Amino acid sequence: AQSVAQPEDQVNVAEGNPLTVKCTYSVSGNPYLFWYVQYPNRGLQFLLKYITGDNLVKGSYGFEAEFNKSQTSFHLKKPSALVSDSALYFCAVPADSNYQLIWGAGTKLIIKP
Amino acid sequence: KAGVTQTPRYLIKTRGQQVTLSCSPISGHRSVSWYQQTPGQGLQFLFEYFSETQRNKGNFPGRFSGRQFSNSRSEMNVSTLELGDSALYLCASSLYGGRTADTQYFGPGTRLTVL
Repeated sequence: AQSVAQPEDQVNVAEGNPLTVKCTYSVSGNPYLFWYVQYPNRGLQFLLKYITGDNLVKGSYGFEAEFNKSQTSFHLKKPSALVSDSALYFCAVPADSNYQLIWGAGTKLIIKP
Repeated sequence: KAGVTQTPRYLIKTRGQQVTLSCSPISGHRSVSWYQQTPGQGLQFLFEYFSETQRNKGNFPGRFSGRQFSNSRSEMNVSTLELGDSALYLCASSLYGGRTADTQYFGPGTRLTVL
C-alpha cells in the first residue's frame, strides 16, 4: 500500500538560512509525489509535484524538492527561508486503488527572524 | 481563473442537527473531492465526484453524503451531527481526477464546530 511519512513534527529555521522539510515514501511502481502548504485558517496550496524526469522539481514561492529513488525520499527545500514561509507542509502520494491523495501527518515550519 | 470556493466558511451546529456544505470548483474542472481535516486524524478522504457520479468513497459512515450537479458544483451533507464531526472540511477540484498525476486544487475550507 502507498504511504508517506514526514518524520519531523516541527522544523525551526532562522530567516535567511536554507530549509529542508523531509518526506519519505513507500509505493509500488513509479511514484507520483506532491507537496502542499497550509497557512493558518486556510486551505491547502499546491507547491509542486514529481511525475518523472529530473530529480529536482521546482515549484511555487521558490521551493524545490529533490526526488531520491534509492532513499525513497522527496524532501522539500528552499535556499533562503522567509518568515512568511512559516506554515504547515504536507507531502502526499496518490493511492493505487482510487488515486486519491494519501497524506503525511504534516510538518510545522517555523521561520524565526 | 477563479479558484475553488467553499461556502460557508464557518458553521456552528449542535449535536443531532444536519449540515450542508457547498463547493464550486475551478472552471473546467470536472472532479471534486472532499476531505476532512482534524488535529487528531489529519487529512482524510471523504469522497470524489466526477460527472455527477460518486466515483470513490473513503471510510466514513453513511451520515456523510454528497452530490455533484451538472455544472460540477458539489455539496456534502452530514446528518445527525456528532461532536467528533467538528473539523475543517476541504474541497478540491481537478480536471479529471482518477489519474495519478492530476493536481488537486483546494478551497479555503469550511470550519464546522459541533456543540
